[in-house]
Amino acid sequence: QVQLVQSGAAVKKPGASVKVSCKASGYIFIDYDIHWVRQAPGQGLEWMGWINPNTGVTHFSQKFQGRVTMTRDTSITTAYMELSRLISDDTAVYFCARDITAAANFWGQGTLVTVSS
Amino acid sequence: QSALTQPPSASGSPGQSVTISCTGTSSDIGDYEFVSWYQQHPGKAPKLMIYEVSKRPSGVPDRFSGSKSGNTASLTVSGLQAEDEADFYCSSYAGTNTWVFGGGTKLTVL
Repeated sequence: QVQLVQSGAAVKKPGASVKVSCKASGYIFIDYDIHWVRQAPGQGLEWMGWINPNTGVTHFSQKFQGRVTMTRDTSITTAYMELSRLISDDTAVYFCARDITAAANFWGQGTLVTVSS
Repeated sequence: QSALTQPPSASGSPGQSVTISCTGTSSDIGDYEFVSWYQQHPGKAPKLMIYEVSKRPSGVPDRFSGSKSGNTASLTVSGLQAEDEADFYCSSYAGTNTWVFGGGTKLTVL
């Protein structure tokens, strides 16, 4: 069965970076794009960007351009999202999700990132 | 990209139908047949309910249906059940390899 398992919660100081991993299993990793979506406490979903695991090509929301990096390691079927220059407003649950024709049909369990001094 | 517009809340009694709207622009909903809907229960990851405007993934009950007219998409839940109470989010492809979500609608089953 398709599974996306994310890394555990992280606490970071303002100005630091965080890297969240997303381990995929149960399907051919390079065949489906991976999206990253975040959700601040009590707020809605916010799309961050996506990566094509086959080519490594990425596309980001303008809001995160210059601050987000998405990579993958096909040898261990894992995608990564790194967000730099963290501020308190980046406190959120970060989800990875597998794409199916411009929709996300499988989701990771979410990773809580807390930014606090 | 600006977020899609959804009503903050919707409600209905068990057995009734409720429709949630999602309004975008001619650059997203109005220009593409790639509208999706997600259900999210508290503390859980979102679940895909509708994709490509009106298609249901395997396992989603046919009580859930989607449609689109112009720049507005809609999700209809028929035969409301207690377990349908959740937050619902719409999403659309917005061109140049980007997506946009709606602000979310809290569905209450009375």
